[in-house]
Amino acid sequence: GQQLNQSPQSMFIQEGEDVSMNCTSSSIFNTWLWYKQDPGEGPVLLIALYKAGELTSNGRLTAQFGITRKDSFLNISASIPSDVGIYFCAGQLWTGANSKLTFGKGITLSVRP
Amino acid sequence: EAGVAQSPRYKIIEKRQSVAFWCNPISGHATLYWYQQILGQGPKLLIQFQNNGVVDDSQLPKDRFSAERLKGVDSTLKIQPAKLEDSAVYLCASSPYSRGAYEQYFGPGTRLTVT
Repeated sequence: GQQLNQSPQSMFIQEGEDVSMNCTSSSIFNTWLWYKQDPGEGPVLLIALYKAGELTSNGRLTAQFGITRKDSFLNISASIPSDVGIYFCAGQLWTGANSKLTFGKGITLSVRP
Repeated sequence: EAGVAQSPRYKIIEKRQSVAFWCNPISGHATLYWYQQILGQGPKLLIQFQNNGVVDDSQLPKDRFSAERLKGVDSTLKIQPAKLEDSAVYLCASSPYSRGAYEQYFGPGTRLTVT
C-alpha cells in the first residue's frame, strides 16, 4: 500500500526559529495536505495543496506540492510556543468515484522558549 | 458552527468485551469517515460513508468491527469482541464534499484502552 515518509520523528527548535518538514512518497498523489494535532484532539487542517509545484501560505506557514507529485514540505517561520504539536502530512489519491487520504506517521515539534 | 462530536472521550474495557463509539458530524456534511490512530502513527481509514451508504470499508476488520450511519447523519462504530491491539484513538471526520476528501474536519476522538 501507499506509504508517506516523515522524518525525523521529533524536532526541537528555539522560539523564533524557522523549521522545515518534508514528506515523501513512493506514489504520486493528486492533493497534499498538512495537519496539526494537539494532545487529546483530532487533527486540524493547516494547508491543502492541489497542483504540482503549488506554493501556498497560511500566516507563518508555507507549504509546497512537489513537482514530481511525490513529495511536499511545510515551513513554519518565527516559531512560537503554540506551534508545539504533531504535524502530519497526508496525500489524497482519486480512484474513480472516490478518494482516500493516506497519512504519514507525523513529526512531533517542540519549541523551547 | 459546531464541530464533529464524539462520545465517549475515553473507554477502558477488557479483551473480548464489546464497545461502541458514537459520532455526530457537522450539520449538512454528506461524507463521514472513521479512522483508527495507534499511538505514534497517523490516522488510518477504517470506513467511509457517503450519506448512509458505505463507499470504502476495505480496511475495516469486518470479523470484529462494524459501523452504520442510519439516516445519513449520526454514525456508530462497534468492536465485538475487542482485542488488545484495538487499543487506539478512534477518530470521526466529516466532509461537506461527496467526492473530495481534502477538507475533512475531525472530532476529538475516543481513546480506547483494551486490557
